[in-house]
Amino acid sequence: DIQMTQSPSSLSASVGDRVTITCQASQDISNYLNWYQQKPGKAPKLLIYDASNLETGVPSRFSGSGSGTDFTFTISSLQPEDIATYYCQQYDNLPSFTFGGGTKVEIK
Amino acid sequence: EVQLVESGGGLVQPGGSLRLSCAASGFTFSSYWMHWVRQAPGKGLVWVSRINSDGSSTSYADSVKGRFTISRDNAKNTLYLQMNSLRAEDTAVYYCATERKLWSTRYFDYWGQGTLVTVSS
Repeated sequence: DIQMTQSPSSLSASVGDRVTITCQASQDISNYLNWYQQKPGKAPKLLIYDASNLETGVPSRFSGSGSGTDFTFTISSLQPEDIATYYCQQYDNLPSFTFGGGTKVEIK
Repeated sequence: EVQLVESGGGLVQPGGSLRLSCAASGFTFSSYWMHWVRQAPGKGLVWVSRINSDGSSTSYADSVKGRFTISRDNAKNTLYLQMNSLRAEDTAVYYCATERKLWSTRYFDYWGQGTLVTVSS
């Protein structure tokens, strides 16, 4: 099974800061990686698919990059409404869609 | 408007059974592969099970294989998860989600609000 390791598990940043989250796969998954945002008490929401493609309607301050085993998710300028937990998800090893452990983003 | 509404959660004793439902509307349910994803209290997301569009193919996480059964009724636009031999570690919010397939791309684009399953004596 493919393991997805996210880091950090939590972070605190100021409004306007650049925030970076990494996700490492235990084996090469090409670009078969998605990023989701989950706000407290809500269902996850897709932000990025195929490592770097922004879902329609998602603000451009969110971006993703990477391929193979190492991936990065970035919020270019943190906003108060971005407080949430972010998850990466691989789908190279279908039918399993493994999620990373999540990164909780808080405002400093 | 796409809607996925889960129901059927609740408190059940260890070893018991429960059937979750996910009622779909606002899209052509019979064209979509569907998934169940769960989230234990304060924990991360875990993929549970998948069913193809006509119900002929299913897959499960190792942790639920042999105990859970996913199914669907396309005439009723409803997805199900039959959960047997429940354990304390099955306690979680269970979400249903649609799988979007575009060539080699896959992602979950619509999610329900979740239904809480608590396994406890």
